[in-house]
Amino acid sequence: GQQLNQSPQSMFIQEGEDVSMNCTSSSIFNTWLWYKQDPGEGPVLLIALYKAGELTSNGRLTAQFGITRKDSFLNISASIPSDVGIYFCAGPSFFGNEKLTFGTGTRLTIIP
Amino acid sequence: EAEVAQSPRYKITEKSQAVAFWCDPISGHATLYWYRQILGQGPELLVQFQDESVVDDSQLPKDRFSAERLKGVDSTLKIQPAEQGDSAVYVCASRPTRGGNQETQYFGPGTRLLVL
Repeated sequence: GQQLNQSPQSMFIQEGEDVSMNCTSSSIFNTWLWYKQDPGEGPVLLIALYKAGELTSNGRLTAQFGITRKDSFLNISASIPSDVGIYFCAGPSFFGNEKLTFGTGTRLTIIP
Repeated sequence: EAEVAQSPRYKITEKSQAVAFWCDPISGHATLYWYRQILGQGPELLVQFQDESVVDDSQLPKDRFSAERLKGVDSTLKIQPAEQGDSAVYVCASRPTRGGNQETQYFGPGTRLLVL
């Protein structure tokens, strides 16, 4: 089946630093979604990407849909304490049955 | 702002016992999903409902798991008997209509299950 691998698995950064993480797939996706999950909460959608090469921003967050359609990148600029959490990429099933496949997650920790 | 409600938030049980989780989707949302999220991993779909009908339960371990959405509104996920490997967070999500964009899934806070 489809798999989404995220890297890095975890990041430890200082407040104010920029963050980059990526997601790669063994197969093509037509939509890429980036979610953030806080402890004890469900995932919350951050950015949705629909077109290869697309670059989309949401405040300090910027995500790109890779040209090969097999990868996506998420960048966070000038990190703040509330950015702490787990970031997941996700995409709909290739077979179009509305099923989302989630990545393995990147855990972001901010060192005071 | 409307939210997906789940209860209980935490459940500790012993293996071989039965457990049940409840989800109340956002009002008017026809599609409801149950996901299982193992620590350190992303959510994995267990079952998807469209109104009261099951659309996809291919990943649901049917020997011990069952899910229902009798009136097409709230839903219950049951495990009987629970096993230690079932320890995870069970997250419910809902979406307004069939089709459309996947980003319209709204997730609940999850029920954290620990099976001793």
